[in-house]
Amino acid sequence: DVKVTQSSRYLVKRTGEKVFLECVQDMDHENMFWYRQDPGLGLRLIYFSYDVKMKEKGDIPEGYSVSREKKERFSLILESASTNQTSMYLCASSGGTDDNYGYTFGSGTRLTVV
Amino acid sequence: GEDVEQSLFLSVREGDSSVINCTYTDSSSTYLYWYKQEPGAGLQLLTYIFSNMDMKQDQRLTVLLNKKDKHLSLRIADTQTGDSAIYFCAESINHTDKLIFGTGTRLQVFP
Repeated sequence: DVKVTQSSRYLVKRTGEKVFLECVQDMDHENMFWYRQDPGLGLRLIYFSYDVKMKEKGDIPEGYSVSREKKERFSLILESASTNQTSMYLCASSGGTDDNYGYTFGSGTRLTVV
Repeated sequence: GEDVEQSLFLSVREGDSSVINCTYTDSSSTYLYWYKQEPGAGLQLLTYIFSNMDMKQDQRLTVLLNKKDKHLSLRIADTQTGDSAIYFCAESINHTDKLIFGTGTRLQVFP
């Protein structure tokens, strides 16, 4: 029963390409998040959204944008991919009832920019 | 700003207890979490604790919180090879708000 789905597990893109990472959740959560994970740095928040068409910058938004046109879908966009954006990207969602704590994560997309 | 720190590696023998430590700086954190990440997978919530609690036990897992020192620990009793993973601590102001994660501790269990 997959609840947060990221469209690709592995992706290889060229420098300068526009890259779309898609995330869909089926739990009717209000909040969605994009993190990147790098060894020794943990997870760093890129962007998040508390509602449809709403977005907030996280700690490292430079070089990224997001789109949330529907409640269940949160897209991360790399406008012009660069090699320093090679990383594991994790999507998560949260919200709902009071007994639902923490996030539900997708399996991640490992992006390599060459 | 907020900062959450963990040691990077821990190696234990199968059957021993593991203790993974975490320190955080934001005293307004209300919720503290432990997540587990197995190879090639996303993060899985293991357990959480409210800031007004000192301890929480869940089967082989024991979470200790020292709010004065802003120190959180996760003890895994009778550690098994299946516990080998990266463990992240995280904090948030409320249970649906953004999480601030630590750097992760890679636990290796050897026979």
